[in-house]
Amino acid sequence: DTGVSQNPRHKITKRGQNVTFRCDPISEHNRLYWYRQTLGQGPEFLTYFQNEAQLEKSRLLSDRFSAERPKGSFSTLEIQRTEQGDSAMYLCASSQVVGASYGYTFGSGTRLTVV
Amino acid sequence: DQQVKQNSPSLSVQEGRISILNCDYTNSMFDYFLWYKKYPAEGPTFLISISSIKDKNEDGRFTVFLNKSAKHLSLHIVPSQPGDSAVYFCAASYNNDMRFGAGTRLTVKP
Repeated sequence: DTGVSQNPRHKITKRGQNVTFRCDPISEHNRLYWYRQTLGQGPEFLTYFQNEAQLEKSRLLSDRFSAERPKGSFSTLEIQRTEQGDSAMYLCASSQVVGASYGYTFGSGTRLTVV
Repeated sequence: DQQVKQNSPSLSVQEGRISILNCDYTNSMFDYFLWYKKYPAEGPTFLISISSIKDKNEDGRFTVFLNKSAKHLSLHIVPSQPGDSAVYFCAASYNNDMRFGAGTRLTVKP
């Protein structure tokens, strides 16, 4: 297992376009998380899945954002009608159901630039 | 609302000396506290954690101290090495809600 994989690594898009990111978690991890990180800030929680169920969404996740995790495996995060304020690093992480003490395993992120 | 705060954006220490990174939190419901390390172009990597029922956890050169009454935790790195140079994030978790601080950039000079 090569850890959490995110694609693409970088995405430049024009304002108003839709973008989709993919995350492949560690295969035995039940939980998958999406975070967003802007310059000079720590990761901010967006949403998380346990298996295929989306259990929590942050108020940061506007209706332009949608996340899915079909079959409880990989996940996608789509942003519709992108705005310049969406420019950030989007991080995916996975973990076992139990084990907050072991932390999450993060991917390398997808850097989105909206021009 | 910033429930986890790292008030020092940067820290510079000499190789071989101790690095002390600090973190404060406001939510007394947090039950786990974690430190992550981040290199450029990579995601954060879990480093060490501590349960709220303990006051110290040690793993090699890394020790995390928790002071619940002060809602404060710190990460000690002894001895510091140039390879420790990275951004360190403090995080606190309750019921799968993990909040991160803004990070402290540690530079260890040879």
